[in-house]
Amino acid sequence: EAQVTQNPRYLITVTGKKLTVTCSQNMNHEYMSWYRQDPGLGLRQIYYSMNVEVTDKGDVPEGYKVSRKEKRNFPLILESPSPNQTSLYFCASSPSGPYSYEQYFGPGTRLTVT
Amino acid sequence: AQSVTQLGSHVSVSEGALVLLRCNYSSSVPPYLFWYVQYPNQGLQLLLKYTSAATLVKGINGFEAEFKKSETSFHLTKPSAHMSDAAEYFCAVSPGLSGGYQKVTFGTGTKLQVIP
Repeated sequence: EAQVTQNPRYLITVTGKKLTVTCSQNMNHEYMSWYRQDPGLGLRQIYYSMNVEVTDKGDVPEGYKVSRKEKRNFPLILESPSPNQTSLYFCASSPSGPYSYEQYFGPGTRLTVT
Repeated sequence: AQSVTQLGSHVSVSEGALVLLRCNYSSSVPPYLFWYVQYPNQGLQLLLKYTSAATLVKGINGFEAEFKKSETSFHLTKPSAHMSDAAEYFCAVSPGLSGGYQKVTFGTGTKLQVIP
């Protein structure tokens, strides 16, 4: 089954404790992206990756890191989480090409930082 | 630069009534436009997309949207609401073929309530 998976689905952590949220897709998509969803703010793009070893900042990259060493994986790293990073996070992927901008979303990771 | 404005964070309709969810966009280049739906506790799913072909776009579950350049709008409609349509809907814009096409900006979302 074609899908985007995220782990963990739920995470409660404390301020300053480094964490990684994994994202993996099995559709051989070149493009991957991370979003955070907050009430009243919709989805805001954190980082995106056009291909392996190619990443760029979205609208809200502060406090986050990403890497793309393999085509299928795009982990999101919070080096020193803070309470304002409490949010619902979505990973998404899409194929390249001029008419293939549809994004496929993972199920989400709900992160709470205390 | 690009942005999306969704008018109405909450919309209520009766079952069987017309659904109209409003989206206005701003883009410095010809845009690509999308509507996504999010059911409770799930990720987003594409409903339909406009990529500079036909201005009236039909999507899944009976939804459609019309691209109106003069009004910079891309409103989502469905003739008859079903209870299963209750969800949150997001409009999104990207710059399309003019470059930076993978940068997508989402609206703040509209929660649709369907009243029996």
